[in-house]
Amino acid sequence: KNQVEQSPQSLIILEGKNCTLQCNYTVSPFSNLRWYKQDTGRGPVSLTIMTFSENTKSNGRYTATLDADTKQSSLHITASQLSDSASYICVVYFDSWGKLQFGAGTQVVVTP
Amino acid sequence: DAGVTQSPTHLIKTRGQQVTLRCSPKSGHDTVSWYQQALGQGPQFIFQYYEEEERQRGNFPDRFSGHQFPNYSSELNVNALLLGDSALYLCASSSSGRSYNEQFFGPGTRLTVL
Repeated sequence: KNQVEQSPQSLIILEGKNCTLQCNYTVSPFSNLRWYKQDTGRGPVSLTIMTFSENTKSNGRYTATLDADTKQSSLHITASQLSDSASYICVVYFDSWGKLQFGAGTQVVVTP
Repeated sequence: DAGVTQSPTHLIKTRGQQVTLRCSPKSGHDTVSWYQQALGQGPQFIFQYYEEEERQRGNFPDRFSGHQFPNYSSELNVNALLLGDSALYLCASSSSGRSYNEQFFGPGTRLTVL
């Protein structure tokens, strides 16, 4: 069964601190993996994309890693800002038509 | 260049009613997918439209139906609404000719069923 599991479910961090979110997947066949940021009540916005052969991808203060052998990915947020408060969703694309499997998301709250 | 747009933004209906949600894809995109996102959950795939036909479907009952028009815009129809249909409905568009078929999401329609 195609599944994407994320942890933790939620976390609270102080402004300026770093945090790491985890994603484990059992989706097959794998096309690519994306991390999306979703503000409350809004649509998800793509942060990073990684294919099978990529290990690391950065987008500003966001750095994603992928271990295709263990089927694990992480999203690291550096020097968090209040605007980073959102849900971060791990999404695996797994066929040529762009079929997606979503994780439930990690709710991040950045406090002053 | 306008991104994916959805209407209406919010909608309140009562049980048993029918609802139609609308989506206009990003310019240059020809494929539209619909998702249901319950509060605190990740989006669940409803179906995908390409060339005015339903190409793929998730695990949703026949009460959920859709349509794609020649200009690639799309509608999602839900009949006989249930309380459990309350959710954020997301539309995403993509280009069939683009590698990785990246999907761009609209802002969503918040449906509340009373």
